[in-house]
Parts: sequence; C-alpha cells; structure tokens
Amino acid sequence: DADVTQTPRNRITKTGKRIMLECSQTKGHDRMYWYRQDPGLGLRLIYYSFDVKDINKGEISDGYSVSRQAQAKFSLSLESAIPNQTALYFCATSDLTFESGELFFGEGSRLTVL
Amino acid sequence: GQNIDQPTEMTATEGAIVQINCTYQTSGFNGLFWYQQHAGEAPTFLSYNVLDGLEEKGRFSSFLSRSKGYSYLLLKELQMKDSASYLCAVKGSNYQLIWGAGTKLIIKP
Repeated sequence: DADVTQTPRNRITKTGKRIMLECSQTKGHDRMYWYRQDPGLGLRLIYYSFDVKDINKGEISDGYSVSRQAQAKFSLSLESAIPNQTALYFCATSDLTFESGELFFGEGSRLTVL
Repeated sequence: GQNIDQPTEMTATEGAIVQINCTYQTSGFNGLFWYQQHAGEAPTFLSYNVLDGLEEKGRFSSFLSRSKGYSYLLLKELQMKDSASYLCAVKGSNYQLIWGAGTKLIIKP
C-alpha cells in the first residue's frame, strides 16, 4: 500500500460544482502539501501545513481551501470548480528528520472540470 | 523574479550517458533537488545538493555550482526504464521549493 494515498484518483466534474480531494498518509510526517501540475509548467504549491493547527497559503491558493483534520489527513476543496482548475493534483509530505526535507508524493488526482 | 530553466526534451540511446542541465535564479538558496517522474505517476526523489560538487548515487550523479546557479543530473548506462521526466527544484530563501517545468527524457534502443 502507498504511504501517501489520494482519493479520488480521477474525477470529472462540471463548472460550479464543489469538489474535495483527500489525502492520507501513514508516514507519520507533520508536514503536508498540495500541489498542482499543468503541462509545460513546474509544480505549483497551493497550500501547506506544518502541523494540525498550521495552514499556510502557497503561490496559487485562490479558488481553493484546505482542511487538516488530523496529522495524517489533509483535504483540498474547490468550492466552485472552473475549467482552468483542470490539472493533476499531488499531495506530498515531508519530515524534519530528513536533512533535505525531501517530499514524498501521493499518486496524484487527475481532475477535469467541464 | 525567480526562475528555473531546464531543456524541455532530450533523447538518448540505451546504454549511453546523458546530462540534463538546470540553471536557476532565485532569491536565496537552501538546496537543489532532482526528482524523477514517470508519465502519469508521482515524482520520486533522486538527489539533493546543498554544497558545490558532485554527488554520486549508483548510475545517477548530480552536480551543483552555486556561484553559477547551475546544476546537472548525469545518468549513466541508460536503461529503457529511465524514460521519464526529470524535475529540478530549488529551495529558496523561505525554504519553499521552486520547480522547473521538467525535462522529458526519451530513451531509444
């Protein structure tokens, strides 16, 4: 089983619908992140959380919200989806015990907004 | 502004050596990462450089020159399974990662 699990893996929805992408991890890491990936662009940070009571906006947080329900769970919501939110979304975790702070990614959630 | 540049696509032959370059301009530097990403899959960590020089890990090596804002990933004895995108990312002054768009590496028999 994957250490970082995302659900759903694929979702097609319509403009204006509310969508939630969920992420859970068994790595015991405190830090969790949501990124989106678009063709021809680097990964872009949406939100990140360093512990359950800490939520921070990334570079592209507009139109998104997050909830850190527990150390192991970090959800991303699109309150009213729009077509330019069509992308591949990745959840990631990291831990201070790794000097580099390397990220461990989930398998991705492909979202299509029609 | 902050910028990471890498070639969009490269082609190499099975068994050969390939070097993927990454140049960066960032406000602050706290380390550089290389990740591998197979199509439709998650990125996976390859290497981390924070000091100048070469870090070798099996068939893969990564080099960093902080004064030149330059890194490369060297892949030796290429295998078909090395066909993937290679992502360069820099940890900037606020310790957040700035990502390049990735280099798609195509390996031909």
